[in-house]
Amino acid sequence: DGGITQSPKYLFRKEGQNVTLSCEQNLNHDAMYWYRQDPGQGLRLIYYSQIVNDFQKGDIAEGYSVSREKKESFPLTVTSAQKNPTAFYLCATTGQPQETQYFGPGTRLLVL
Amino acid sequence: GQNIDQPTEMTATEGAIVQINCTYQTSGFNGLFWYQQHAGEAPTFLSYNVLDGLEEKGRFSSFLSRSKGYSYLLLKELQMKDSASYLCAVLDSNYQLIWGAGTKLIIKP
Repeated sequence: DGGITQSPKYLFRKEGQNVTLSCEQNLNHDAMYWYRQDPGQGLRLIYYSQIVNDFQKGDIAEGYSVSREKKESFPLTVTSAQKNPTAFYLCATTGQPQETQYFGPGTRLLVL
Repeated sequence: GQNIDQPTEMTATEGAIVQINCTYQTSGFNGLFWYQQHAGEAPTFLSYNVLDGLEEKGRFSSFLSRSKGYSYLLLKELQMKDSASYLCAVLDSNYQLIWGAGTKLIIKP
């Protein structure tokens, strides 16, 4: 069954802690993306990767880091430098029609 | 700068028709997308327009006018399950998606 999975569904972060959000896809798509969504706002791009071992900063990359060691996986780390991490985090890949993005179920990050 | 405008919230009655507008100003244009997002869930793809005109898909239709920088999503025979946010997004000249803030649609019985 093809798709995009994200885990966990909910994640709690303590002050000064780094946390990692998982994103896995078995659609054989090259491009993967991380977005942040805050209430009443549009999606904001954090990082994206067009190919394995390569990734680019989006509009709000500060306080975040990513890796792309495998085509199927694109984990996002929210570092302690991100002072306002509470948000809904969405992972996406690109398919057809032209550049259509398909999303995983999302991870909601909350700060304790 | 790049900008996409949509109404923040709209209310409609079950069984009626509603039109959600989207205007955009972007550096280049390679297509416009509409997504539906239910509360607490991820967006799901509804439609893609790259040429002017109307694309119909069941109860949902999407219209594009590139010269006016304008699109709308038309929902017919509204059902309670259509209560959701509707996101407009434009693919710019660098093939980056620019997202609107979304329109929250409330359906009343």
